[in-house]
Amino acid sequence: SQQGEEDPQALSIQEGENATMNCSYKTSINNLQWYRQNSGRGLVHLILIRSNEREKHSGRLRVTLDTSKKSSSLLITASRAADTASYFCATDALGNSGNTPLVFGKGTRLSVIA
Amino acid sequence: DTAVSQTPKYLVTQMGNDKSIKCEQNLGHDTMYWYKQDSKKFLKIMFSYNNKELIINETVPNRFSPKSPDKAHLNLHINSLELGDSAVYFCASSQEEVGQGYNEQFFGPGTRLTVL
Repeated sequence: SQQGEEDPQALSIQEGENATMNCSYKTSINNLQWYRQNSGRGLVHLILIRSNEREKHSGRLRVTLDTSKKSSSLLITASRAADTASYFCATDALGNSGNTPLVFGKGTRLSVIA
Repeated sequence: DTAVSQTPKYLVTQMGNDKSIKCEQNLGHDTMYWYKQDSKKFLKIMFSYNNKELIINETVPNRFSPKSPDKAHLNLHINSLELGDSAVYFCASSQEEVGQGYNEQFFGPGTRLTVL
């Protein structure tokens, strides 16, 4: 299975601290995506990082990708209470021509305490 | 001006009933998806359609029948509902380019199905 595995399953931090979540996967990929899901809502795309990229930034978000270790990390700096959500990584198998699915991990539940 | 919309948001029904969930996207995307999220938050693809054509069918029981009347709509009909069908169902859409890997997917708000 290609399924990504996020680590940790749950993370609780104080507002203002940084939060780091990790994702490991099993097969070679085209790209890896991170999504956020607030309670009772749909998933929202955060960042897409391609297999030939090592790092990407978007506002307070920083994503790294290590294809040799088949792992990625999502760093949220200066966290806010509004960052409380579940975070999922999703991987896209290398060579996919559209007939294999984007595979989501089980998610990290982040709680930011004000 | 919602990008991906689903109806209904909540669906409570008895075992054995037949129900439908509707999805519409106004993003002009060619590809639409149905996902199932279980009680442990595990999100799994069920179907994907590209320009009204079924592309992915992930071993979903044939009680589930997707229908895409046009590329902006992907509906999900479920026959003979079972207790195990209780979950949140998400519709999503994206614009894909063959061979480039998946692009960002836009998700609807979800339909929480409860089978009693």
